[in-house]
Amino acid sequence: EDQVTQSPEALRLQEGESSSLNCSYTVSGLRGLFWYRQDPGKGPEFLFTLYSAGEEKEKERLKATLTKKESFLHITAPKPEDSATYLCAVQALGGATNKLIFGTGTLLAVQP
Amino acid sequence: EPEVTQTPSHQVTQMGQEVILRCVPISNHLYFYWYRQILGQKVEFLVSFYNNEISEKSEIFDDQFSVERPDGSNFTLKIRSTKLEDSAMYFCASMGTSGTSGYFGPGTRLTVL
Repeated sequence: EDQVTQSPEALRLQEGESSSLNCSYTVSGLRGLFWYRQDPGKGPEFLFTLYSAGEEKEKERLKATLTKKESFLHITAPKPEDSATYLCAVQALGGATNKLIFGTGTLLAVQP
Repeated sequence: EPEVTQTPSHQVTQMGQEVILRCVPISNHLYFYWYRQILGQKVEFLVSFYNNEISEKSEIFDDQFSVERPDGSNFTLKIRSTKLEDSAMYFCASMGTSGTSGYFGPGTRLTVL
């Protein structure tokens, strides 16, 4: 069964304190790994899709990397506005629908 | 920036009543989805819709649920007889043919009393 596990569940950082969020996955074949940001009461906001081990993508203070078993979301010098829940999801090969299987997310709080 | 829209933002209903949640996916996308998120839990896949038919549904998507794309723009989720446990955020999402990015709407918060 395809599964996604995210850690830590919650992370509190001081403004400027860099850190990484982890997403471990088990999937029969990976078509894509997705990162989303979700603010309270809102829909997931698309950040990145990664497709193959070794791939990296960046957006502002965020950088996502991918290995064969996990992905990391690195946050460099975070600001309070980066506070949100970060969701990881996988898309399996061979599926006709491109559906996403989500992890439970990491709740990030950045304090000024 | 492409955008998925959903209405209403909040729906309150009595147990046993029918509700219809509406979505306007991104216009040139071909895959449409409904997901739900119970408070404090993970986002769960409900159903996918492609080429005017259901392409996959989860165990959650039982006979009480149905989806329609009544015209070229709207995509609806109907729950025929709501239960207390249907209370959740319901998200519509769409993907283009490449499936390289999934855009989600802002959600409809469904409260069943």
